[in-house]
Amino acid sequence: KAGVTQTPRYLIKTRGQQVTLSCSPISGHRSVSWYQQTPGQGLQFLFEYFSETQRNKGNFPGRFSGRQFSNSRSEMNVSTLELGDSALYLCASSPTSGASYEQYFGPGTRLTVT
Amino acid sequence: DAKTTQPNSMESNEEEPVHLPCNHSTISGTDYIHWYRQLPSQGPEYVIHGLTSNVNNRMASLAIAEDRKSSTLILHRATLRDAAVYYCILRESISSGSARQLTFGSGTQLTVLP
Repeated sequence: KAGVTQTPRYLIKTRGQQVTLSCSPISGHRSVSWYQQTPGQGLQFLFEYFSETQRNKGNFPGRFSGRQFSNSRSEMNVSTLELGDSALYLCASSPTSGASYEQYFGPGTRLTVT
Repeated sequence: DAKTTQPNSMESNEEEPVHLPCNHSTISGTDYIHWYRQLPSQGPEYVIHGLTSNVNNRMASLAIAEDRKSSTLILHRATLRDAAVYYCILRESISSGSARQLTFGSGTQLTVLP
């Protein structure tokens, strides 16, 4: 099976712009979660989608949003970019939502905001 | 959320077993113990998880204390490719059938010496 894929892998944007990142989960997986990783804050949870519905949300401002499509692919959007949004954005998929299931991470999208 | 405590760093010699400890004294009855690792410049990789009983898979073994207040990840024969940050995470089931998302602490940096 192909792993989790994320596009693009690298992105450079300027402050005030918006960005959309894409994630394709492992075939058959219905849960997709998004994380932000920075050197200072480590890995932080953004949100989880399952069957096109947001199940969980982390403590991020409303500028961060996401959605999931019927084929389980997911996108996250960040509007009005700030310098502090520079980070590695990771997507993880899981067969379903629940504590007993493992998550499989993609390689991430490296976003640089200048 | 219940927290975990791990040593900041550990060293091991190649081809020797490695025991990575994790304390989680405030674990609740529904928390699953998950282990992930992250190699440099890659997304986290699932290693193993369990609830009460010891678990084995092709990558590692997970030994869970009888009171569940601690666990140990065992790599049976460390290789240079096992050098990574290892995260011990508790994942709690919540009422919606979902789970609290992975909260990564600082983890244990494992160095494998040739």
